[in-house]
Amino acid sequence: EPEVTQTPSHQVTQMGQEVILRCVPISNHLYFYWYRQILGQKVEFLVSFYNNEISEKSEIFDDQFSVERPDGSNFTLKIRSTKLEDSAMYFCASSKSQETQYFGPGTRLLVL
Amino acid sequence: AQSVTQPDIHITVSEGASLELRCNYSYGATPYLFWYVQSPGQGLQLLLKYFSGDTLVQGIKGFEAEFKRSQSSFNLRKPSVHWSDAAEYFCAGGNTGTASKLTFGTGTRLQVTL
Repeated sequence: EPEVTQTPSHQVTQMGQEVILRCVPISNHLYFYWYRQILGQKVEFLVSFYNNEISEKSEIFDDQFSVERPDGSNFTLKIRSTKLEDSAMYFCASSKSQETQYFGPGTRLLVL
Repeated sequence: AQSVTQPDIHITVSEGASLELRCNYSYGATPYLFWYVQSPGQGLQLLLKYFSGDTLVQGIKGFEAEFKRSQSSFNLRKPSVHWSDAAEYFCAGGNTGTASKLTFGTGTRLQVTL
């Protein structure tokens, strides 16, 4: 069964550094999403992406964040200058239609 | 504002006992509703979903959920819990007809005693 994959599974970075989190959505899916879950808190929406542009973004998704679909398979989330409060589990999700979103296993980001 | 509420932060049940996890939603129109499960250190696995039609939906691992418009609820049930069901359960909602974000509840942590 097709799955959403994410790399790396864990990343440790220094405050102020740039990080790129990578996702490979399910191959015939058209809608892509990033969410994050700070430890002990609920899952929060960051951004949705369709037809090579952002469909919707949350207040969390400020100028430090960007998303890109550089080729036909990858979907990336870039954080330009990481802050301590960016430490979280980041989930990628994809959907074929405007309905069910399938989540990847997540990337645990730790900013020191 | 759209919201999903899970009133129970933590529930403990004995193996073999029945389970009901509560979820309430607040949306302008009937949303799409989902239950996801997250095992420790793992991602979010879809258990079941409700879009329209039959208000009792069946999911994987023997779970079911019932949509009740009058109560704005979408409670998750399982007749007999197994120790492997111990995990965190998230209810989520999304607007119909759009590729919209999911709004998650705060989650319910299920502990199963043997």
